[in-house]
Amino acid sequence: NAGVTQTPKFRVLKTGQSMTLLCAQDMNHEYMYWYRQDPGMGLRLIHYSVGEGTTAKGEVPDGYNVSRLKKQNFLLGLESAAPSQTSVYFCASSSVQIYEQYFGPGTRLTVT
Amino acid sequence: GESVGLHLPTLSVQEGDNSIINCAYSNSASDYFIWYKQESGKGPQFIIDIRSNMDKRQGQRVTVLLNKTVKHLSLQIAATQPGDSAVYFCAENGASNTGKLIFGQGTTLQVKP
Repeated sequence: NAGVTQTPKFRVLKTGQSMTLLCAQDMNHEYMYWYRQDPGMGLRLIHYSVGEGTTAKGEVPDGYNVSRLKKQNFLLGLESAAPSQTSVYFCASSSVQIYEQYFGPGTRLTVT
Repeated sequence: GESVGLHLPTLSVQEGDNSIINCAYSNSASDYFIWYKQESGKGPQFIIDIRSNMDKRQGQRVTVLLNKTVKHLSLQIAATQPGDSAVYFCAENGASNTGKLIFGQGTTLQVKP
């Protein structure tokens, strides 16, 4: 039981490049979330999903897109990376019955 | 908008002492609260949670207190150890029915040997 996994762990992009971050969970959770964490700002919700095939915007969705084609996977895409997207990205999942979210180890992204 | 805030950004305690980390929440509709611990370079880990029908809940060396009157949450860590050094976040569920949590900015706990 791996819990929540994220790939890659680190990535450096040039401005304008695109990339996809992958999140996978093996707990059969309905809900999945993408957050970004910047120094001194805590966790901010980018997008989330309440089930396979559904996505919704969070607090800071601009510049990101997501897809949830399979229940266990939640993808976060950056179509044209900007330096302001330099951050640590965390994926989390939770079940319908409880609010506790399980977090992945994070992806450190640097955009130059 | 909704916000969850922490009173102190950094707390420094002596090893063996008790630690108290405070949190203020603003949404009176919140009925679920949770504390996470985040060690350097890792994702947040669950510590303890509490529902609004309780005012105290105890775990192993940790206690969460909830005061709904003043919308205040605290995390008490007994006999603080060096391994407790981390950033601690409180979160509330707001009025969400989609599992969303609203996180505070975090308090850094430093344990002095």
